[in-house]
Amino acid sequence: ETGVTQTPRHLVMGMTNKKSLKCEQHLGHNAMYWYKQSAKKPLELMFVYSLEERVENNSVPSRFSPECPNSSHLFLHLHTLQPEDSALYLCASSQDRLWGLNNEQFFGPGTRLTVL
Amino acid sequence: TQLLEQSPQFLSIQEGENLTVYCNSSSVFSSLQWYRQEPGEGPVLLVTVVTGGEVKKLKRLTFQFGDARKDSSLHITAAQPGDTGLYLCAASGSARQLTFGSGTQLTVLP
Repeated sequence: ETGVTQTPRHLVMGMTNKKSLKCEQHLGHNAMYWYKQSAKKPLELMFVYSLEERVENNSVPSRFSPECPNSSHLFLHLHTLQPEDSALYLCASSQDRLWGLNNEQFFGPGTRLTVL
Repeated sequence: TQLLEQSPQFLSIQEGENLTVYCNSSSVFSSLQWYRQEPGEGPVLLVTVVTGGEVKKLKRLTFQFGDARKDSSLHITAAQPGDTGLYLCAASGSARQLTFGSGTQLTVLP
Protein backbone atom coordinates (compact mmCIF):
# COMPACT_ATOMS: atom_id res chain seq x y z
CA GLU A 1 0.00 0.00 0.00
CA THR A 2 1.17 3.50 -0.79
CA GLY A 3 -0.04 6.97 0.12
CA VAL A 4 -2.98 7.37 2.47
CA THR A 5 -5.53 4.60 2.89
CA GLN A 6 -8.90 4.71 4.63
CA THR A 7 -11.26 1.97 5.76
CA PRO A 8 -14.05 1.35 5.41
CA ARG A 9 -14.83 3.14 2.15
CA HIS A 10 -18.56 3.09 2.89
CA LEU A 11 -20.37 2.89 6.23
CA VAL A 12 -24.05 2.92 7.12
CA MET A 13 -24.90 3.16 10.78
CA GLY A 14 -27.82 3.83 13.05
CA MET A 15 -27.85 6.67 15.54
CA THR A 16 -27.24 4.30 18.44
CA ASN A 17 -24.31 2.46 16.87
CA LYS A 18 -20.63 2.82 17.68
CA LYS A 19 -18.18 2.57 14.81
CA SER A 20 -14.64 3.64 13.97
CA LEU A 21 -12.99 5.01 10.86
CA LYS A 22 -9.38 4.08 10.21
CA CYS A 23 -6.68 5.98 8.34
CA GLU A 24 -3.13 4.84 7.62
CA GLN A 25 -0.38 6.79 5.91
CA HIS A 26 2.66 5.15 4.36
CA LEU A 27 4.54 8.39 3.65
CA GLY A 28 6.53 8.87 6.85
CA HIS A 29 4.66 12.07 7.63
CA ASN A 30 4.39 13.64 11.07
CA ALA A 31 1.00 15.35 10.82
CA MET A 32 -2.43 13.82 10.18
CA TYR A 33 -5.83 15.41 9.73
CA TRP A 34 -9.54 14.57 9.72
CA TYR A 35 -11.82 16.59 7.42
CA LYS A 36 -15.58 16.46 6.87
CA GLN A 37 -16.89 17.04 3.34
CA SER A 38 -20.62 17.69 3.00
CA ALA A 39 -22.51 18.42 -0.20
CA LYS A 40 -22.22 22.04 -1.32
CA LYS A 41 -20.07 22.99 1.70
CA PRO A 42 -16.33 23.56 1.96
CA LEU A 43 -14.13 20.92 3.50
CA GLU A 44 -14.26 21.38 7.26
CA LEU A 45 -11.13 20.68 9.27
CA MET A 46 -12.05 18.60 12.32
CA PHE A 47 -8.82 17.53 14.01
CA VAL A 48 -5.08 17.87 13.53
CA TYR A 49 -2.46 15.61 15.06
CA SER A 50 1.24 16.40 15.03
CA LEU A 51 3.67 13.76 16.28
CA GLU A 52 0.71 11.91 17.81
CA GLU A 53 -0.39 14.95 19.81
CA ARG A 54 -3.73 16.62 19.08
CA VAL A 55 -2.98 20.21 18.20
CA GLU A 56 -6.27 21.37 16.68
CA ASN A 57 -9.87 20.63 17.56
CA ASN A 58 -12.27 22.82 15.64
CA SER A 59 -15.27 22.75 17.97
CA VAL A 60 -16.24 19.28 16.89
CA PRO A 61 -19.08 17.61 18.86
CA SER A 62 -17.96 15.05 21.40
CA ARG A 63 -19.75 12.28 19.53
CA PHE A 64 -16.62 12.35 17.31
CA SER A 65 -13.54 11.11 19.16
CA PRO A 66 -10.16 10.95 17.43
CA GLU A 67 -7.26 8.70 18.35
CA CYS A 68 -3.69 8.71 17.07
CA PRO A 69 -1.78 5.74 18.50
CA ASN A 70 1.31 6.41 16.35
CA SER A 71 2.38 8.69 13.53
CA SER A 72 1.11 6.30 10.85
CA HIS A 73 -2.40 5.62 12.13
CA LEU A 74 -5.39 7.81 12.86
CA PHE A 75 -8.84 6.76 14.00
CA LEU A 76 -12.15 8.55 14.30
CA HIS A 77 -14.47 6.89 16.79
CA LEU A 78 -18.16 7.57 16.23
CA HIS A 79 -21.03 7.18 18.68
CA THR A 80 -24.64 8.38 18.83
CA LEU A 81 -24.32 10.26 15.56
CA GLN A 82 -27.07 12.32 13.96
CA PRO A 83 -28.35 12.12 10.37
CA GLU A 84 -26.73 15.50 9.65
CA ASP A 85 -23.36 13.86 10.32
CA SER A 86 -23.73 11.95 7.05
CA ALA A 87 -20.83 13.07 4.85
CA LEU A 88 -17.53 12.04 3.29
CA TYR A 89 -14.84 11.89 5.97
CA LEU A 90 -11.38 12.50 4.58
CA CYS A 91 -8.06 11.79 6.22
CA ALA A 92 -4.91 13.60 5.15
CA SER A 93 -1.27 13.70 6.11
CA SER A 94 1.62 16.09 5.60
CA GLN A 95 5.31 16.19 6.45
CA ASP A 96 4.58 18.51 9.34
CA ARG A 97 1.74 20.78 10.42
CA LEU A 98 3.41 24.01 9.47
CA TRP A 99 1.81 25.54 6.42
CA GLY A 100 4.21 26.30 3.64
CA LEU A 101 5.20 25.89 0.03
CA ASN A 102 6.56 22.41 0.42
CA ASN A 103 4.06 21.08 2.92
CA GLU A 104 1.52 19.40 0.68
CA GLN A 105 -1.39 17.55 2.24
CA PHE A 106 -1.99 14.08 0.83
CA PHE A 107 -5.58 12.89 1.10
CA GLY A 108 -7.03 9.43 1.40
CA PRO A 109 -10.07 8.37 -0.66
CA GLY A 110 -12.46 9.01 2.21
CA THR A 111 -15.17 7.08 4.02
CA ARG A 112 -18.71 7.76 2.83
CA LEU A 113 -20.77 7.74 6.03
CA THR A 114 -24.54 7.52 6.13
CA VAL A 115 -26.35 7.85 9.46
CA LEU A 116 -29.91 6.55 9.48
CA THR B 1 -13.00 33.28 9.72
CA GLN B 2 -11.26 33.38 6.36
CA LEU B 3 -13.70 32.54 3.59
CA LEU B 4 -12.89 31.47 0.07
CA GLU B 5 -15.60 31.91 -2.55
CA GLN B 6 -15.33 29.87 -5.71
CA SER B 7 -17.18 30.55 -8.93
CA PRO B 8 -18.89 29.23 -10.83
CA GLN B 9 -20.24 26.49 -8.59
CA PHE B 10 -21.02 24.26 -11.60
CA LEU B 11 -19.62 24.34 -15.12
CA SER B 12 -20.46 22.04 -18.01
CA ILE B 13 -18.62 22.51 -21.31
CA GLN B 14 -17.81 20.66 -24.51
CA GLU B 15 -14.44 19.06 -25.14
CA GLY B 16 -12.03 21.55 -26.68
CA GLU B 17 -13.46 24.64 -25.03
CA ASN B 18 -11.54 26.93 -22.71
CA LEU B 19 -12.66 27.84 -19.21
CA THR B 20 -11.69 29.85 -16.17
CA VAL B 21 -12.68 29.30 -12.57
CA TYR B 22 -12.15 31.76 -9.76
CA CYS B 23 -11.29 31.76 -6.10
CA ASN B 24 -11.87 35.01 -4.21
CA SER B 25 -11.54 36.29 -0.67
CA SER B 26 -11.43 39.51 1.27
CA SER B 27 -8.44 38.16 3.22
CA VAL B 28 -4.78 38.19 2.29
CA PHE B 29 -3.15 34.79 2.12
CA SER B 30 0.45 33.74 2.45
CA SER B 31 -0.08 31.09 -0.20
CA LEU B 32 -2.85 29.34 -2.07
CA GLN B 33 -3.30 25.83 -3.41
CA TRP B 34 -5.51 24.29 -6.08
CA TYR B 35 -6.69 20.70 -5.76
CA ARG B 36 -8.71 18.43 -8.05
CA GLN B 37 -11.01 15.80 -6.61
CA GLU B 38 -12.43 12.98 -8.72
CA PRO B 39 -15.46 10.90 -7.71
CA GLY B 40 -14.64 8.38 -5.01
CA GLU B 41 -11.24 9.91 -4.32
CA GLY B 42 -9.69 12.52 -2.07
CA PRO B 43 -8.39 15.86 -3.37
CA VAL B 44 -5.05 15.83 -5.15
CA LEU B 45 -2.78 18.87 -5.12
CA LEU B 46 -2.26 20.54 -8.51
CA VAL B 47 -0.22 23.61 -7.61
CA THR B 48 0.84 25.99 -4.84
CA VAL B 49 1.28 29.72 -5.50
CA VAL B 50 2.99 32.00 -3.01
CA THR B 51 3.93 35.29 -4.69
CA GLY B 52 1.46 38.01 -5.66
CA GLY B 53 1.05 38.05 -9.44
CA GLU B 54 2.63 34.62 -9.80
CA VAL B 55 1.61 32.53 -12.81
CA LYS B 56 2.22 28.79 -12.97
CA LYS B 57 1.50 26.44 -15.84
CA LEU B 58 0.80 22.73 -15.66
CA LYS B 59 0.32 21.47 -19.21
CA ARG B 60 -3.06 22.95 -20.28
CA LEU B 61 -3.73 24.45 -16.84
CA THR B 62 -2.66 27.99 -15.97
CA PHE B 63 -2.85 29.22 -12.39
CA GLN B 64 -2.58 32.85 -11.34
CA PHE B 65 -2.30 34.38 -7.88
CA GLY B 66 -3.68 37.90 -7.59
CA ASP B 67 -1.29 40.80 -7.03
CA ALA B 68 -2.80 41.43 -3.60
CA ARG B 69 -2.79 37.70 -2.74
CA LYS B 70 -6.56 37.72 -2.14
CA ASP B 71 -7.69 35.82 -5.20
CA SER B 72 -6.66 33.27 -7.77
CA SER B 73 -7.80 31.87 -11.07
CA LEU B 74 -7.43 28.58 -12.88
CA HIS B 75 -7.64 28.58 -16.68
CA ILE B 76 -7.92 25.37 -18.67
CA THR B 77 -7.21 25.42 -22.39
CA ALA B 78 -8.83 22.91 -24.73
CA ALA B 79 -10.59 21.02 -21.95
CA GLN B 80 -10.75 17.24 -22.13
CA PRO B 81 -13.14 14.76 -20.48
CA GLY B 82 -10.28 13.75 -18.18
CA ASP B 83 -10.37 17.26 -16.69
CA THR B 84 -13.78 16.51 -15.19
CA GLY B 85 -13.78 16.83 -11.41
CA LEU B 86 -14.25 19.10 -8.42
CA TYR B 87 -11.69 21.90 -8.35
CA LEU B 88 -10.94 23.22 -4.89
CA CYS B 89 -8.87 26.18 -3.83
CA ALA B 90 -7.33 26.25 -0.37
CA ALA B 91 -5.35 28.89 1.41
CA SER B 92 -3.68 29.70 4.67
CA GLY B 93 -3.29 33.07 6.25
CA SER B 94 -2.88 34.34 9.76
CA ALA B 95 -4.79 31.40 11.21
CA ARG B 96 -2.07 29.02 9.98
CA GLN B 97 -4.87 26.66 9.07
CA LEU B 98 -5.84 25.44 5.63
CA THR B 99 -9.22 26.88 4.55
CA PHE B 100 -10.99 25.36 1.56
CA GLY B 101 -13.46 26.89 -0.86
CA SER B 102 -16.66 25.02 -1.68
CA GLY B 103 -15.37 24.08 -5.10
CA THR B 104 -16.26 24.25 -8.79
CA GLN B 105 -17.73 21.07 -10.25
CA LEU B 106 -16.46 20.83 -13.83
CA THR B 107 -17.93 18.46 -16.40
CA VAL B 108 -16.31 18.19 -19.82
CA LEU B 109 -18.55 16.47 -22.34
CA PRO B 110 -17.00 14.47 -25.19
